[in-house]
Amino acid sequence: DAGVIQSPRHEVTEMGQEVTLRCKPISGHDYLFWYRQTMMRGLELLIYFNNNVPIDDSGMPEDRFSAKMPNASFSTLKIQPSEPRDSAVYFCASSSSVQETQYFGPGTRLLVL
Amino acid sequence: AQSVTQLDSQVPVFEEAPVELRCNYSSSVSVYLFWYVQYPNQGLQLLLKYLSGSTLVKGINGFEAEFNKSQTSFHLRKPSVHISDTAEYFCAVRYSTGRRALTFGSGTRLQVQP
Repeated sequence: DAGVIQSPRHEVTEMGQEVTLRCKPISGHDYLFWYRQTMMRGLELLIYFNNNVPIDDSGMPEDRFSAKMPNASFSTLKIQPSEPRDSAVYFCASSSSVQETQYFGPGTRLLVL
Repeated sequence: AQSVTQLDSQVPVFEEAPVELRCNYSSSVSVYLFWYVQYPNQGLQLLLKYLSGSTLVKGINGFEAEFNKSQTSFHLRKPSVHISDTAEYFCAVRYSTGRRALTFGSGTRLQVQP
């Protein structure tokens, strides 16, 4: 299996622009998670899905952030408009309901200028 | 609410020496516990996990951890470290029922010196 796939790996954009991060979970996994890693706040959950349905979005910072999972093999995290404080590494992870391990993608390193 | 504390932000150690990375958690209900490792510019990789059963858990790369319910701890140990073990280590916890998301500690940077 290719593991969790994220794209792009790196993104540099200017403040005010729209940013879309993409994730392909491991085939057969029914849970998908978006985490953000920053120096100040560490690793924190943004949102997670079960069977493509958002279950907990309490970590989504504000209305500028939105996440979708249109099918079992694809999810997006969108920031519109982006701000410099959104600069971070964004990780996608997936797991199955029959085992507890969350498998992480390589992350997207976002820099907002 | 659950929380995880990793008291040591950095742990320098010489190659072939033993190491212990400390993790304490707080939760009023039953939890699952995890240790992940992050190498530079990479994602997180699971080292080991405790779900139930034996409190001594063995993981990959020679690491092991012991669950201590009375002290609410889950310390990670390795008897002899290698240069290649240099990385960031994260302890994480989640409720055994309900919410699936992980709560992470702030991480411990293990620096193995020759």
